[in-house]
Amino acid sequence: ETGVTQTPRHLVMGMTNKKSLKCEQHLGHNAMYWYKQSAKKPLELMFVYNFKEQTENNSVPSRFSPECPNSSHLFLHLHTLQPEDSALYLCASSPQVGWTGPETQYFGPGTRLLVL
Amino acid sequence: SQQGEEDPQALSIQEGENATMNCSYKTSINNLQWYRQNSGRGLVHLILIRSNEREKHSGRLRVTLDTSKKSSSLLITASRAADTASYFCATDAPGANSKLTFGKGITLSVRP
Repeated sequence: ETGVTQTPRHLVMGMTNKKSLKCEQHLGHNAMYWYKQSAKKPLELMFVYNFKEQTENNSVPSRFSPECPNSSHLFLHLHTLQPEDSALYLCASSPQVGWTGPETQYFGPGTRLLVL
Repeated sequence: SQQGEEDPQALSIQEGENATMNCSYKTSINNLQWYRQNSGRGLVHLILIRSNEREKHSGRLRVTLDTSKKSSSLLITASRAADTASYFCATDAPGANSKLTFGKGITLSVRP
């Protein structure tokens, strides 16, 4: 266990549905991340939050809407997704963005999303 | 953009053999890390090597870094079936604000 949990672990949704992914970290970290992992592609950074403030949006389509109510929780709200959005969505945390120490990230188990 | 690229893409070995995986990157880095991912799971941090280090050990893992060649290798000695997983290198660059750049990963299969 890495101290980062994600729910649900699996999600099937239609293109007109609205759903949310949840991530929670119990490590006392202040930075949280959303990544998308598709087959045979490098891990794609989507969003970064540092002390609840978004510091990076990596040109992610607006059908993905992140929310970070506090440093321990991160959500990814999904609406009108496309089949190509099917992927494993990984949440990660780290001490903080710009920390002077080595930047090790701690990952959750991921949510496997299938868009029909 | 800077990106770690692992080599080979897939590796199959017999239990007990050593596994060597390589990673190359394009620009200056602060640190290079290796992560492991079991099928359908999240990534787990294995080892970090700083840009001013050349070699590091952790249990059965040995990592080397050659900044002149912009490359790193991960050696797993005396492999076990449980080492079967995908392995990723990740780099963070000066001024990248903690952003990690991952490669596509290497799929390691260890046959019992």
